Amino acid sequence: DAGVIQSPRHEVTEMGQEVTLRCKPISGHNSLFWYRQTMMRGLELLIYFNNNVPIDDSGMPEDRFSAKMPNASFSTLKIQPSEPRDSAVYFCASSLRGTGQGKTQYFGPGTRLLVL
Amino acid sequence: AQSVTQLDSQVPVFEEAPVELRCNYSSSVSVYLFWYVQYPNQGLQLLLKYLSGSTLVESINGFEAEFNKSQTSFHLRKPSVHISDTAEYFCAVSDLFGSEKLVFGKGTKLTVNP
Repeated sequence: DAGVIQSPRHEVTEMGQEVTLRCKPISGHNSLFWYRQTMMRGLELLIYFNNNVPIDDSGMPEDRFSAKMPNASFSTLKIQPSEPRDSAVYFCASSLRGTGQGKTQYFGPGTRLLVL
Repeated sequence: AQSVTQLDSQVPVFEEAPVELRCNYSSSVSVYLFWYVQYPNQGLQLLLKYLSGSTLVESINGFEAEFNKSQTSFHLRKPSVHISDTAEYFCAVSDLFGSEKLVFGKGTKLTVNP
C-alpha cells in the first residue's frame, strides 16, 4: 500500500510568494495532521482534520497559513505571503480512528521549504 | 493535558554498545505510547508502540521499550547498536480517549560511532 504522499518534496521560493503544499493520506484513513519541523522549535502540530473537518488549528502560526481538506484523499497547506521564517520541513501524517490502532500516525516524507 | 520529556538531546555511543534513550511522560489518564525514528532527511517512521497488554514491546530491528506506569516512563533500549541506527528518536504520548493528537518529545539524536 502507498504511504502518505506529499508534494512537492522540495520548494524554493522568494519572500512574498504564495506556497501550496499538498498531501494525500493513506487510503481509508480518516484523520490528517500537518506538522512543521525546525531546528529551533522541533516538531509542531499545526492543524488536524477528522473526517475532512478541521478539529484543532491552534498551532497555525498566523493568518498567513491556511489548510483545507476538500475530500478524504487530499489536503493542502497554503502560506500566503511566505516569509523567510517559514523555512522548515512540513510533514503530513494520517491515522485511522477507532480501529484498535491506538491513534498511530503515519508520516509522509515531508516537504522541505526554503523561503529566500 | 499530556507532556513528554526526553532527558537526553544527544546520545553518542560506539557500535555494538548497548543504548537506552529515556522518555518520561505526564498524564492524568491512561495513555498510548510511541517511539518514532527519523533518519536524516526523511520523515518519521513508527518504531514501536504500547497500546495495552504486555508492558514490553519490541520492534523488528532489535529495539525494545518497557511501559512503566508507576514511573511514567517508556524508555527505549537496544543491547547492541549498529551504525545504521544513527537517527533521531521521538517519544510520543496520546490519551486513550478524546483528541487524536500525539504529544511529541523534543527528540534524542543517537549517533553510533565506529
